[in-house]
Amino acid sequence: AQKVTQAQTEISVVEKEDVTLDCVYETRDTTYYLFWYKQPPSGELVFLIRRNSFDEQNEISGRYSWNFQKSTSSFNFTITASQVVDSAVYFCARFSSGSARQLTFGSGTQLTVLP
Amino acid sequence: EPEVTQTPSHQVTQMGQEVILRCVPISNHLYFYWYRQILGQKVEFLVSFYNNEISEKSEIFDDQFSVERPDGSNFTLKIRSTKLEDSAMYFCASTGPPAGYGYTFGSGTRLTVV
Repeated sequence: AQKVTQAQTEISVVEKEDVTLDCVYETRDTTYYLFWYKQPPSGELVFLIRRNSFDEQNEISGRYSWNFQKSTSSFNFTITASQVVDSAVYFCARFSSGSARQLTFGSGTQLTVLP
Repeated sequence: EPEVTQTPSHQVTQMGQEVILRCVPISNHLYFYWYRQILGQKVEFLVSFYNNEISEKSEIFDDQFSVERPDGSNFTLKIRSTKLEDSAMYFCASTGPPAGYGYTFGSGTRLTVV
């Protein structure tokens, strides 16, 4: 199976610190999509970003930024000036556009931002 | 913004009972999915559904599970005889072409089997 690996199980930071969540993926496909989702304690999956395999531009959205590097099969997520409300589990996921249309998730990173 | 709607949000059932989890996907989406997340674990794919039939299923999706699109709007997951290990959060999702675009999850149904 083509895996998505989030090596960091838990991270704790103090408010206002920057934090980077790592994601490494495996794929044999040329066309694929990468996602980040946030799962707060309430349990829903909140979509953060989608990136397709042809677009290696980094993206910034407010305090969030993403670094996509095909050469290392990584799609890392940085939160700048973290806030307590950022505390959640963050999942990286991959979608292939072939017959296997399902999302493959990483195991998630529990981020705790301390006041 | 269009949403995927799931009902109920919580369900408690006795072991051996049948449950039906309901979902209303986004209206112009064509691909529908069920995922499962056991507490504290990652989200796992169960089944995908396209053109009124299952297009792919995981090894988790055994004979106890079935899916149906009984009308033009609902998409259901049935578990025939629930087991304790079926306790999990179940997420419905839908997506429409192009592939990978607009992959939207519902807010989930938390199923507890006692």
